[in-house]
Amino acid sequence: QKEVEQDPGPLSVPEGAIVSLNCTYSNSAFQYFMWYRQYSRKGPELLMYTYSSGNKEDGRFTAQVDKSSKYISLFIRDSQPSDSATYLCAMTSTGFQKLVFGTGTRLLVSP
Amino acid sequence: DGGITQSPKYLFRKEGQNVTLSCEQNLNHDAMYWYRQDPGQGLRLIYYSQIVNDFQKGDIAEGYSVSREKKESFPLTVTSAQKNPTAFYLCASSLTSGGFTDTQYFGPGTRLTVL
Repeated sequence: QKEVEQDPGPLSVPEGAIVSLNCTYSNSAFQYFMWYRQYSRKGPELLMYTYSSGNKEDGRFTAQVDKSSKYISLFIRDSQPSDSATYLCAMTSTGFQKLVFGTGTRLLVSP
Repeated sequence: DGGITQSPKYLFRKEGQNVTLSCEQNLNHDAMYWYRQDPGQGLRLIYYSQIVNDFQKGDIAEGYSVSREKKESFPLTVTSAQKNPTAFYLCASSLTSGGFTDTQYFGPGTRLTVL
């Protein structure tokens, strides 16, 4: 079993839809959670960074962490074609433990 | 304009050859990282360096080597000992050497293909 599981997709939605992207993990020590967006043939860019449990909102993006269920989510409101990309989750327990990445979910937003 | 640059964007290698991938940053970051990305797999850490003249192996260091002689540069050499080097290689940096909780900023990547 992988430490971090992420559905590869693709997830296809129409423009304006609310998108939910998710990762599950098995290591209960994880406390730092990140979401990266990666356009095709480009490097990942950080979207959201949360510590421990709870919600964090930034514009159209909301990151949610449920440590009791070992489940994290990224919600995108009013999705746009420019949101079409692969979304990677990443997490770690402490500064001395390497980041563990999910495999990424490919999102396609059609006009 | 601050950022991380990687070169070349595409690289082709014949079997048995060593090749070096360049990574330069002008963000004045202390720490730098090399990852490998393959389809259907998460990013895997090859090497990382928290300070000049020091580096540590990641999860898949076999067949790779690095150096960190300057703060802004962290080149990766893919040696002939790496059995399956075809992949997308990503370099990243973070501000401090405080560890993996620091935000990592990624370069645009180098796609290496073995012919």
